[in-house]
Amino acid sequence: NAGVTQTPKFQVLKTGQSMTLQCAQDMNHEYMSWYRQDPGMGLRLIHYSVGAGITDQGEVPNGYNVSRSTTEDFPLRLLSAAPSQTSVYFCASRRPPGTGGIYGYTFGSGTRLTVV
Amino acid sequence: AQSVTQLGSHVSVSEGALVLLRCNYSSSVPPYLFWYVQYPNQGLQLLLKYTSAATLVKGINGFEAEFKKSETSFHLTKPSAHMSDAAEYFCAVTLNSGYSTLTFGKGTMLLVSP
Repeated sequence: NAGVTQTPKFQVLKTGQSMTLQCAQDMNHEYMSWYRQDPGMGLRLIHYSVGAGITDQGEVPNGYNVSRSTTEDFPLRLLSAAPSQTSVYFCASRRPPGTGGIYGYTFGSGTRLTVV
Repeated sequence: AQSVTQLGSHVSVSEGALVLLRCNYSSSVPPYLFWYVQYPNQGLQLLLKYTSAATLVKGINGFEAEFKKSETSFHLTKPSAHMSDAAEYFCAVTLNSGYSTLTFGKGTMLLVSP
């Protein structure tokens, strides 16, 4: 089924460890983004990309790195995990503007990360 | 830049009562507006969206929202609450220009009592 696939669904890290959250979409969407969700804070944008090779920071980028080498994949890297990064992470994509069809974002099912 | 304010972090209603969840937005250009619902331990599900067509938008599960430019509002309503409506609801805004990002409100938890 077409959509956004996030892996893993759950992860526990120790403080200082590194890891990569994977996000892949098969809809040929140029725009992809990462959000974190924390209680009472809604979803906050971490990083986004408007196409392969192009990334930019969102509202809460510190502690996270991204790269976009292909249209399909947009991994999120935690270089040195901290307890403050305990959160639920969502990846989202959408088609380029002006390409017709129903405008909207497609979200992955999320990754629940705990840093101890 | 754009922003969203959701009034009330928690809203409680009785089953069968009117549901009203408030959302006000701020944007420099015409916005696209969305309501998402999130059930416990699940992902986001799109309820409805406004993309500059009809100002009254009907969504899934009997929900609807009205875009009011003069009030910069996009409140979500449902005539009669059901127990299964208990969830967290998020309003979100993006701009009708280029690759604008999607900005979320902080969410409103809807509690439905029998």
